[in-house]
Amino acid sequence: DAKTTQPNSMESNEEEPVHLPCNHSTISGTDYIHWYRQLPSQGPEYVIHGLTSNVNNRMASLAIAEDRKSSTLILHRATLRDAAVYYCILYMDSNYQLIWGAGTKLIIKP
Amino acid sequence: GAGVSQSPSNKVTEKGKDVELRCDPISGHTALYWYRQSLGQGLEFLIYFQGNSAPDKSGLPSDRFSAERTGGSVSTLTIQRTQQEDSAVYLCASSRDYSNQPQHFGDGTRLSIL
Repeated sequence: DAKTTQPNSMESNEEEPVHLPCNHSTISGTDYIHWYRQLPSQGPEYVIHGLTSNVNNRMASLAIAEDRKSSTLILHRATLRDAAVYYCILYMDSNYQLIWGAGTKLIIKP
Repeated sequence: GAGVSQSPSNKVTEKGKDVELRCDPISGHTALYWYRQSLGQGLEFLIYFQGNSAPDKSGLPSDRFSAERTGGSVSTLTIQRTQQEDSAVYLCASSRDYSNQPQHFGDGTRLSIL
């Protein structure tokens, strides 16, 4: 069973920031939060992951709530190439598995 | 560098036939994962390998599914006596090891059972 909850879809304008929310109220202390994205007809692509502190990389930023029950993926300046399905996933350290939900389809309007 | 390679990219076969799906992971990656994705859905975990061994086979849907990995590299997912409900995209991923490392995915094999 998926342990994350995301909106089915979101729209954003090109060159504006995008905030993609994720709820994971049943997260355990050792579960990492991962984000992947998937373009049509391609395999998923790793975006970012974190445990407790906010994380930044060249693709995005990850903001994690203090109680870790939610997180937000931030794309600082969306482009048309960012249109994809974004998955918020918990990595279960106990069995080395990523538990995938249905994701959020991000639509970028020019 | 070379990414994860899967073959064939598409496979159409008749119900009841056996199929083999191949995955070439990134060189040096010790962990390898198989997933299944139905249309419009998220990924369903099937099995993972640490080197050549598969500690967790609990995700395999039935005993018609099996997987092996030889030489710590190439992996094959075999589906025997295929059924229509086996139609899906089968994705392979590899990571540096089996801990909390990013997984690198191939583009999958689209399997269609007639």
